[in-house]
Amino acid sequence: GAGVSQSPSNKVTEKGKDVELRCDPISGHTALYWYRQSLGQGLEFLIYFQGNSAPDKSGLPSDRFSAERTGGSVSTLTIQRTQQEDSAVYLCAASPQAYSPLHFGNGTRLTVT
Amino acid sequence: ILNVEQSPQSLHVQEGDSTNFTCSFPSSNFYALHWYRWETAKSPEALFVMTLNGDEKKKGRISATLNTKEGYSYLYIKGSQPEDSATYLCAFRDSGNTPLVFGKGTRLSVIA
Repeated sequence: GAGVSQSPSNKVTEKGKDVELRCDPISGHTALYWYRQSLGQGLEFLIYFQGNSAPDKSGLPSDRFSAERTGGSVSTLTIQRTQQEDSAVYLCAASPQAYSPLHFGNGTRLTVT
Repeated sequence: ILNVEQSPQSLHVQEGDSTNFTCSFPSSNFYALHWYRWETAKSPEALFVMTLNGDEKKKGRISATLNTKEGYSYLYIKGSQPEDSATYLCAFRDSGNTPLVFGKGTRLSVIA
C-alpha cells in the first residue's frame, strides 16, 4: 500500500474485554514496530518484528499483551482483559532496512471505559 | 533499557527566532540517531537519520548535528515559523538488531 495502515482508528471498549489492533505496513518493509503514547507521555516501545520473528518483546507491559506478524506483512496487537491504564494511542511503524527512517501509521486511539 | 533524554521539554519562541534543542543518548555503542517531527493529529514524520560521528544534515531551515563520542545531537531551526510548531522526537538505536528507543520529545510552539 501507499503507507502504513492501522485499524481501527478509534476503539472504545469496556474494561475486561479483549481488543485486537491491526497494522498493515508498506510492502517490503521487513521491520515493524509497535509503540504507544499514553496521555502526557512519550512514545513507549512495545515490540519489534524483523520479518515474522520478534527479537525484542521487552516493551510489552504485561502478559495481557501479545502481538504476531504473519507473512512478513500484517501485524496484530492483542490486549486481553483490557484495563483503564491501557488507554492510549497505539502506533505502528515500519521500515525496509535498519538504517531507514520509520514510516508511521495514523495510530489507533484506544479508550477503555 | 536505553535512556534517551531530550531537552527542553517544551519551548515557546517568537516567529523569526532561531532555536535549538538537544537529544542525549548512551555513548557506549552507537548505530543510528533519528529525528522526527510530530504534529498534532498527525503521525510522526522522519526528518533525519544520522549514522556517523560529526554528521550534519539539513532540510530547509532545519538542521541537525551528531556527536557520538559524547552522546548528543542538536536540532536547529532557523527563522521559526508557526508551521514549525510540533513535537520533535529523537530516537536512538545501538545496533541493527535492536529497536529504536524514543525520547519524550521537545514540544515547540512558535508564536506569530
